[in-house]
Amino acid sequence: EPEVTQTPSHQVTQMGQEVILRCVPISNHLYFYWYRQILGQKVEFLVSFYNNEISEKSEIFDDQFSVERPDGSNFTLKIRSTKLEDSAMYFCASTEPRGWAEAFFGQGTRLTVV
Amino acid sequence: QQQVKQSPQSLIVQKGGISIINCAYENTAFDYFPWYQQFPGKGPALLIAIRPDVSEKKEGRFTISFNKSAKQFSLHIMDSQPGDSATYFCAASKKEYGNKLVFGAGTILRVKS
Repeated sequence: EPEVTQTPSHQVTQMGQEVILRCVPISNHLYFYWYRQILGQKVEFLVSFYNNEISEKSEIFDDQFSVERPDGSNFTLKIRSTKLEDSAMYFCASTEPRGWAEAFFGQGTRLTVV
Repeated sequence: QQQVKQSPQSLIVQKGGISIINCAYENTAFDYFPWYQQFPGKGPALLIAIRPDVSEKKEGRFTISFNKSAKQFSLHIMDSQPGDSATYFCAASKKEYGNKLVFGAGTILRVKS
């Protein structure tokens, strides 16, 4: 079964450092997303990406965040200067380019900012 | 208006019992309502989904009931099993391509054997 893969599974970083979270979406999917889940809270939308540009972003996705599809397979989330409150589980998801398409989620990257 | 409210926060059910989780939404533009199941250390996985043109959808032991006028939908798990113990999230979205999911807060279900 096709799956979304994320690396690393756990990242610990010092406050103020830059981190890059990586995702390989399902190969025939064209919409890509990042979601965040702070421990014990709901899954929150960060950003969607289509055709090499951001199609929508939430108020959480401020200037310290950026996304990129550097090649034909990877999709990355960069946090430029991490804060303690960025500690969360980050999920990548992808969907086919059609309405009501199922979103497939990766297993997540647990980011811990110390 | 973008919120999806989910209850209860946690639920304990005996094996063989019925688990019921409820969600309510405000944005009438939502027209796709999936339920996701999440096991510890894993990402959410689609369990079952419904569109507002039907009032109920059943897949095996899992049923979604949808009340468009009340803007509510619920997940029923019949004959609940210990393997169903997980966190369940309702969500809502709009049909257009690439639309984000708005998630409820989640329900931690424990099925006691």
